[in-house]
Amino acid sequence: DTGVSQNPRHKITKRGQNVTFRCDPISEHNRLYWYRQTLGQGPEFLTYFQNEAQLEKSRLLSDRFSAERPKGSFSTLEIQRTEQGDSAMYLCASSLGRGVSVNGYTFGSGTRLTVV
Amino acid sequence: QKEVEQNSGPLSVPEGAIASLNCTYSDRVSQSFFWYRQYSGKSPELIMSIYSNGDKEDGRFTAQLNKASQYVSLLIRDSQPSDSATYLCAVLNTGNQFYFGTGTSLTVIP
Repeated sequence: DTGVSQNPRHKITKRGQNVTFRCDPISEHNRLYWYRQTLGQGPEFLTYFQNEAQLEKSRLLSDRFSAERPKGSFSTLEIQRTEQGDSAMYLCASSLGRGVSVNGYTFGSGTRLTVV
Repeated sequence: QKEVEQNSGPLSVPEGAIASLNCTYSDRVSQSFFWYRQYSGKSPELIMSIYSNGDKEDGRFTAQLNKASQYVSLLIRDSQPSDSATYLCAVLNTGNQFYFGTGTSLTVIP
């Protein structure tokens, strides 16, 4: 297992275009998280899945953002009608959750989005 | 009030010294606390987790937790230039979400 994999590593898009990112978690991990990180800030929670169920979405996640995890394995994050303010590093993390306690996250390398 | 607060730094220490990084959190019922290290342009990597009051040591790293004061710290002994990075404090809240601080930038001067 090579850890959490994210694709693409970098994405440059024009304002108004749609983009989709993919995350492949560690295979036995049932929880998958999406975070966004801008320069000088810590990661901000966007949404998380337990298996295929999307259990929580941040109010940061506007209607232009949608995430799926169709079979409880990989996940996609789509941003429609991108805006310059969407430029950030999008981080995926996975964990094996047991109840409330979670043994930390394993992050992927991230997808850096630049909207021009 | 932010969920997790850290001094952004930068914190500079000479090689071989002890670096002390601090974090406070607002959710009194939080039970799980983590320190991540993030090199520039890279994703965060987990250094330590701590769940109980007191100290937890792992090599050159010691995490300290005081739930009554809602305070978490990370000590790095014998600091090395390779320890230069941003250190993120993360707290797991009752909703199974991690809240991260903004990070403290540490520079170890050779």
